[in-house]
Amino acid sequence: GQNIDQPTEMTATEGAIVQINCTYQTSGFNGLFWYQQHAGEAPTFLSYNVLDGLEEKGRFSSFLSRSKGYSYLLLKELQMKDSASYLCAVRLASGGSYIPTFGRGTSLIVHP
Amino acid sequence: DAGVIQSPRHEVTEMGQEVTLRCKPISGHNSLFWYRQTMMRGLELLIYFNNNVPIDDSGMPEDRFSAKMPNASFSTLKIQPSEPRDSAVYFCASSFSPGSNQPQHFGDGTRLSIL
Repeated sequence: GQNIDQPTEMTATEGAIVQINCTYQTSGFNGLFWYQQHAGEAPTFLSYNVLDGLEEKGRFSSFLSRSKGYSYLLLKELQMKDSASYLCAVRLASGGSYIPTFGRGTSLIVHP
Repeated sequence: DAGVIQSPRHEVTEMGQEVTLRCKPISGHNSLFWYRQTMMRGLELLIYFNNNVPIDDSGMPEDRFSAKMPNASFSTLKIQPSEPRDSAVYFCASSFSPGSNQPQHFGDGTRLSIL
């Protein structure tokens, strides 16, 4: 079966660094997305990894290890507006295509 | 770019009534997805279309749910009859072919409450 795990909730201080982990046990893996979702809003795309290694994009970076079934999202210089849910989504083979399957999300609370 | 457009934004209705949710994908995107999001179960894929054809509807909870995509710019998700346990936020998303690495773009969602 498919299983994608993320911590339910994390808290961090403004200006700090936080790492949100995602582990998966799946078949037919073909890439991993991270999305950000503010309360009451739609998920928005943050990053995509298909090869092992680190992808950096401003204050946000995402890492993937395919052999370990592991990814993390790193947020630097945290701001209050970074308080949101962060969703890990794994692309899985389905009906000849690759469809993102979402984890339950990690609710990040940034406090002053 | 107008983004993915969903309507209505909010729907409150009594159980047993028919509910129709609508979605207009981003022009040029050939894949469309319907998701349901709840606190208990997170974001669940209900059905997705590729080039207007339903490819995988294994996530549709039961026969009360149906979805159509009559053309490249419009899709509906229908619940008939509705039940209180259908209360959730329903998202529509579109992307280029799911075989690519292009991300999904989500609409603002329909917040559905069945009384």
